Amino acid sequence: DIQLTQSPSFVSASVGDRVTITCRASQGISNFFAWYQQKAGKAPKFLIYVASTLQNGVSSRFSGGGSGTEFTLTISSLQPEDSATYYCQQLSTYLTFGGGTKVEVK
Amino acid sequence: EVHLLESGGGLVQPGGSLRLSCAASGFTFSKYAMSWVRQTPGKGLEWVSGMTHSGTNTFYADSVKGRFTISRDTSNNTLFLQMNSLRVEDTAIYFCAKSPVDYCSSPRCFYFDSWGQGALVSVSS
Repeated sequence: DIQLTQSPSFVSASVGDRVTITCRASQGISNFFAWYQQKAGKAPKFLIYVASTLQNGVSSRFSGGGSGTEFTLTISSLQPEDSATYYCQQLSTYLTFGGGTKVEVK
Repeated sequence: EVHLLESGGGLVQPGGSLRLSCAASGFTFSKYAMSWVRQTPGKGLEWVSGMTHSGTNTFYADSVKGRFTISRDTSNNTLFLQMNSLRVEDTAIYFCAKSPVDYCSSPRCFYFDSWGQGALVSVSS
């Protein structure tokens, strides 16, 4: 099974800060990769697919990058509504999710 | 607007069975692959099972293979998950989720642009 390791597991930042979350795969997965945002008590929301393509309607503050084994999700200017847990997902070999990164807005 | 509504969750004893349903609306159900994804506080998100748009191909996580069965009723726009031989570790919120890619028959389309609100399954004696 392909394992995904997200770092950090928790980040606390201020409004306007740039935040980057990393997801590392245990083996190469090309760009078969997606990111989700989950707010407390809600279902996940689809943000980014094929590593860097923003889903329709998602704020341009969010961007994704990477390929192979290392991927990033960047929030360019953190806003209060970005407070959530973010998950990565690989689709190269079946499906696995990362353990999540909780983003707190100070 | 896409809408997915799960039902059928509840409390069941270990070894018991439960059947989840997911009523879909707002899109052409027969065009899209569908999956079940579960979430526990301790283990985060876990993909459980998926089915291609035609229903021809089904896929399962190793943790549920042989115990769970995914199916779909295209005439009623409903996805099902039959869960047998339930274990304590199957306790989770179960989400129904839709792939954004139409007519895709590969698990590489099992990323999800729409999710239901979830159904809680508790396995306990």
